[in-house]
Amino acid sequence: QVQLVESGGGVVQPGGSLRLSCAASGFTFSSFGMHWVRQAPGKGLEWVAFIRPDGSNKYYLDSVRGRFTISRDNSKNTLYLQMNSLRPEDTAVYYCAKGDWDWGQGTLVTVSS
Amino acid sequence: DVVMTQSPLSLPVTLGQPASISCRSSQSLVYSDGNTYLTWFQQRPGQSPRRLIYKVSNRDSGVPDRFSGSGSGTDFTLKISRVEAEDVGVYYCMQGTHWPRTFGQGTKVEIK
Repeated sequence: QVQLVESGGGVVQPGGSLRLSCAASGFTFSSFGMHWVRQAPGKGLEWVAFIRPDGSNKYYLDSVRGRFTISRDNSKNTLYLQMNSLRPEDTAVYYCAKGDWDWGQGTLVTVSS
Repeated sequence: DVVMTQSPLSLPVTLGQPASISCRSSQSLVYSDGNTYLTWFQQRPGQSPRRLIYKVSNRDSGVPDRFSGSGSGTDFTLKISRVEAEDVGVYYCMQGTHWPRTFGQGTKVEIK
């Protein structure tokens, strides 16, 4: 069955960087677009970024464009989210999701001094 | 960006009674291919979201048939015919027609 396992979350100071990973299994990774979605503590869902199956096109939430980069390695069945210039308002659980909306368990990113 | 507006935001329901959640979009969700990409998710307490309904009215595998979706254009509804205890959680609509994808604020369903 589909399995998506996020990792790389943690505590980082404002202005710092983190790289999240999402290891995929149970499906043909290279055939599906992939999303990152976040959820601030006690808040709703916010879509962050999407990448097409071959990485040819990427889409971003305006507030993260230029700071976050979505990428993938189809040979490793892994999705990434490079997050730079982090702000306190980026604090959230970050989920990766398959294009047709199977979700991982999420990884918590806390931006705080 | 397309704004998705859900109502109500809180929905106390008696077990066995029906429940209905409205979702309205600020623009039409009809895509150029003729499909309407409106999706409903359920997020139970402490869990990741789970897709229930896609393209307005198509139930995912394993989703009980007490859940149904309807609507068109900019006006959509998720109905639960008879609420069960396992239905407690937050329900989100999301549009998949326009970039960026956008979610509704969420509707918290609880048992009275």
